[in-house]
Amino acid sequence: SQQGEEDPQALSIQEGENATMNCSYKTSINNLQWYRQNSGRGLVHLILIRSNEREKHSGRLRVTLDTSKKSSSLLITASRAADTASYFCATDGSGYSTLTFGKGTMLLVSP
Amino acid sequence: DGGITQSPKYLFRKEGQNVTLSCEQNLNHDAMYWYRQDPGQGLRLIYYSQIVNDFQKGDIAEGYSVSREKKESFPLTVTSAQKNPTAFYLCASSTGQGNSPLHFGNGTRLTVT
Repeated sequence: SQQGEEDPQALSIQEGENATMNCSYKTSINNLQWYRQNSGRGLVHLILIRSNEREKHSGRLRVTLDTSKKSSSLLITASRAADTASYFCATDGSGYSTLTFGKGTMLLVSP
Repeated sequence: DGGITQSPKYLFRKEGQNVTLSCEQNLNHDAMYWYRQDPGQGLRLIYYSQIVNDFQKGDIAEGYSVSREKKESFPLTVTSAQKNPTAFYLCASSTGQGNSPLHFGNGTRLTVT
């Protein structure tokens, strides 16, 4: 069953602007991961945040996690055209050994 | 260079035929997974294997079969019993340890007519 749901479904911005994507989930988790998918390609892991962490940074990426609201956000700062892709959140669900993915946010960054 | 190789990239089949998608990894990962992706949809888990000679059904296993005879290989067979087989199929692997991220292949796009 689908655990995570991303919002918005699609986002269009200009280069240099920040992009924020949100993910909501339904059950308790051990960790939440964000992945990126370029068109027609496989997914690439971006960042993992554990349930006892509130914020994590990696380069231009900032991820927050609010377990009380069962939500996470991914912020990409100073977006580039090369950031154009679909972004997915994935959760493990406590006790589960597999990841469940949301439907993704399609990000378009225009030069 | 370590990674996951899926072949072929594009596959065309007639309705009623079984077809096998290949997935090979040289990352020495214990766990391997098959996901299906439909347009505008997230990934749905078909089958996964945490160790050689063992595998479990995912959320949408009906009409699919797998084998895990070698650590490196996890082929997926799409049988004629699968009602809507046209989709993008993604194979992934991980160390199988808690919190470990998935490494994905570049997918096989299957079209059945």
